[in-house]
Amino acid sequence: GNSVTQMEGPVTLSEEAFLTINCTYTATGYPSLFWYVQYPGEGLQLLLKATKADDKGSNKGFEATYRKETTSFHLEKGSVQVSDSAVYFCALNTEYGNKLVFGAGTILRVKS
Amino acid sequence: GAGVSQSPRYKVAKRGQDVALRCDPISGHVSLFWYQQALGQGPEFLTYFQNEAQLDKSGLPSDRFFAERPEGSVSTLKIQRTQQEDSAVYLCASSSRRDRLNEKLFFGSGTQLSVL
Repeated sequence: GNSVTQMEGPVTLSEEAFLTINCTYTATGYPSLFWYVQYPGEGLQLLLKATKADDKGSNKGFEATYRKETTSFHLEKGSVQVSDSAVYFCALNTEYGNKLVFGAGTILRVKS
Repeated sequence: GAGVSQSPRYKVAKRGQDVALRCDPISGHVSLFWYQQALGQGPEFLTYFQNEAQLDKSGLPSDRFFAERPEGSVSTLKIQRTQQEDSAVYLCASSSRRDRLNEKLFFGSGTQLSVL
């Protein structure tokens, strides 16, 4: 079946540190991959996506590359800010787009 | 409205009580999803509508859970005879008619259900 595994948190970083949140997946076929972010008190928001192998999604300084050979979609940012503190969810979409499968989420805390 | 709206924001129910959770999607959005998010976990799929048609209800955990979207806009998730294990945040999401593969979902803030 389809599943997503992401690194456990919380991840605590100082401002301007480098961020990596690992995500690996198991899927039949060729899913699209996503990172969603949930800021405190808000709903989930799409952060970035990649729809095929070797695609790189990017937004707000965050990047992730769809690696089919390692079934991974790790999230990276070169320099985090306090405002990046949130819960980050890796997810995949089934081929017909009717069902997002989420990882458990990773809490990121950035200290000033 | 500007976003997906869910009500109530919080609901406390006694075990055995019936509850109804409402979702107002973004106007004109064709696809609507319900997810259940347990504490410390990622959202889990419950059901999917395209307009008024419920195309997938494979995630509904039991026949106590029922969802409807009779006019293809507002949706209601009903839980009958609530149990403690139903305690979770229930999320609604919608996507645009142009987003045929549902690659950008817009989520509401959720309804936090606590069953005592």
